Amino acid sequence: KNQVEQSPQSLIILEGKNCTLQCNYTVSPFSNLRWYKQDTGRGPVSLTIMTFSENTKSNGRYTATLDADTKQSSLHITASQLSDSASYICVVSGRGNNRLAFGKGNQVVVIP
Amino acid sequence: GAGVSQSPSNKVTEKGKDVELRCDPISGHTALYWYRQSLGQGLEFLIYFQGNSAPDKSGLPSDRFSAERTGGSVSTLTIQRTQQEDSAVYLCASRGTSGGGADTQYFGPGTRLTVL
Repeated sequence: KNQVEQSPQSLIILEGKNCTLQCNYTVSPFSNLRWYKQDTGRGPVSLTIMTFSENTKSNGRYTATLDADTKQSSLHITASQLSDSASYICVVSGRGNNRLAFGKGNQVVVIP
Repeated sequence: GAGVSQSPSNKVTEKGKDVELRCDPISGHTALYWYRQSLGQGLEFLIYFQGNSAPDKSGLPSDRFSAERTGGSVSTLTIQRTQQEDSAVYLCASRGTSGGGADTQYFGPGTRLTVL
């Protein structure tokens, strides 16, 4: 079973609207969680990183939340733009572990 | 400075041929990772290099896969006797510190491998 599950698998939203992506994980002990954005044909790029003690972190129009008790994270995109069309990948690192657990990604398509 | 670069960007090969994929990490980064990303799937860990330590090869799917990292910098992933199921995007990432998972991995653009 995958240690990181993301939902929805894909979604289409109108330009200017908001959306929220979900990530549930089972990695334990937990070290940190990252959200990456992967544009088509490119490698993933880090958006945010959150440690155990952080609940919310923003990067421009992207806001990530973390509930380490329930092992859930979300990524909220505000006022979406066409350039937000991408796959958003949730990546969880276990404490003392150099390997990362990757979700399959949320595929977001923003339409005008 | 320059990010992680990979070459070739695309590779089409015939079943049974060998291929070599190259990764140039960010200068000074001691950790280097190879991943495979198949269509509709998450990233699959293949191999991890850290400085002069023995690499973690536990993610390599078969003995047809091997990787080297020469001089602690450039890395080459070799796939021998390619099979159609090897078709995927192969991503390389590098990271700056010597240990732990707290630092960001910086990814290259990937090599899209298609085995006919």
